[in-house]
Amino acid sequence: QVQLVQSGAEVKNPGASVKVSCKAFEYTPGYYIHWMRQAPGQGPEWMGWINPISGGTNYAQKFQGRVTMTRDTSISALYMELSSLRSDDTALYYCARKFPNYWYFDLWGRGTLVTVSS
Amino acid sequence: QSALTQPASVSGAPGQSVTISCTGTTTDVGSYNHVSWYQRHPDKAPKLLIFEVNNRPSGTSDRFSGSKSGKTASLTISGLQTEDEADYFCSSFSSTSPHIVFGGGTKVTVL
Repeated sequence: QVQLVQSGAEVKNPGASVKVSCKAFEYTPGYYIHWMRQAPGQGPEWMGWINPISGGTNYAQKFQGRVTMTRDTSISALYMELSSLRSDDTALYYCARKFPNYWYFDLWGRGTLVTVSS
Repeated sequence: QSALTQPASVSGAPGQSVTISCTGTTTDVGSYNHVSWYQRHPDKAPKLLIFEVNNRPSGTSDRFSGSKSGKTASLTISGLQTEDEADYFCSSFSSTSPHIVFGGGTKVTVL
């Protein structure tokens, strides 16, 4: 069964960068991987997507210049790196698979807690 | 502040029904049927419950149903069970950027 396995929790200082991984045990063409985050007490917020096959990306305007999504096809891993961290970046970061040609996510990772604190 | 508005919490006794609302605007819920619902238990991956307003993926109990009227979508849980105690959030396509918006989430408590 396909799963998305995310890396463990991270604690970072303000101004640092964090790189969260999302390992998929198989890639199916047409499925893009999206990244969302959920701050405490709030709903999820969409950050962007990556095409695991081509590496193409699209980022939410809010995160342009601070986020980079990449993949390593040799180990079926996807990465989301967020730089210049601030305290309000503290959140649970999710990767999720979007069903092709529709607007819903049929598979999610468990989330990676990123805490930004000095 | 989330783009879609949900009540912070709802509760019900075992066997009862509860309904969670998800209110958007004419640029999202009000104009498109691309509304989905997710269930999240603590420390677990969110699970897709409903897609395209009222469609259940295989594996979702028929106790969960979705509907939409105007700018408000709803998720109804019938025959409430203790395992339904979780957070639920909605999502919709939006014609404005970002094109995927979410609700703030609703905590369901089984009394």
